[in-house]
Amino acid sequence: ILNVEQSPQSLHVQEGDSTNFTCSFPSSNFYALHWYRWETAKSPEALFVMTLNGDEKKKGRISATLNTKEGYSYLYIKGSQPEDSATYLCAPRAAGNKLTFGGGTRVLVKP
Amino acid sequence: EPEVTQTPSHQVTQMGQEVILRCVPISNHLYFYWYRQILGQKVEFLVSFYNNEISEKSEIFDDQFSVERPDGSNFTLKIRSTKLEDSAMYFCASSGLASGTDTQYFGPGTRLTVL
Repeated sequence: ILNVEQSPQSLHVQEGDSTNFTCSFPSSNFYALHWYRWETAKSPEALFVMTLNGDEKKKGRISATLNTKEGYSYLYIKGSQPEDSATYLCAPRAAGNKLTFGGGTRVLVKP
Repeated sequence: EPEVTQTPSHQVTQMGQEVILRCVPISNHLYFYWYRQILGQKVEFLVSFYNNEISEKSEIFDDQFSVERPDGSNFTLKIRSTKLEDSAMYFCASSGLASGTDTQYFGPGTRLTVL
């Protein structure tokens, strides 16, 4: 059973500020890491799938890095906007098809 | 843009009753999944399904649960005799491939409340 931790659980960000948060996971048997953005009452939205150590992915103002050797990934939001308010979930995949989710980081961007 | 849909959005049932949660995956996808999130807990995997059979399931997915693809578009999760602890948000997902690099696309979920 993978133990996936995300920190912090929640954070408040002033509009225009940048922020980042962490996903940590066991580095053994790693296959890929998925990031999702989830707004209440909507479908979790796929952001990134990352596989290689040192991978960096970017989508608009959101980017992510991956360190598979030490078992962590950072997600960055540059110049936060109110529409970035959501819960961000990471989910590594080891063997098989299943994703194992962390508890999420809830981001609230204050205007 | 193609999306996964789920019905109903909210289902209330009495303990011991059977429920069927329905999903329409993205049309050209081949792999289908159910996850759930009990309030306050992490999203957890239940089952994956490919080529009309279960490819992987978790310990949660016991004999009370079953999945079916009754036609070319729907994917269902049945809980035969619901328990209070089955109350959760149930998510359906689909992907084109089973590789770890392929994105799993999620539906908006069905909130199941067992009374």
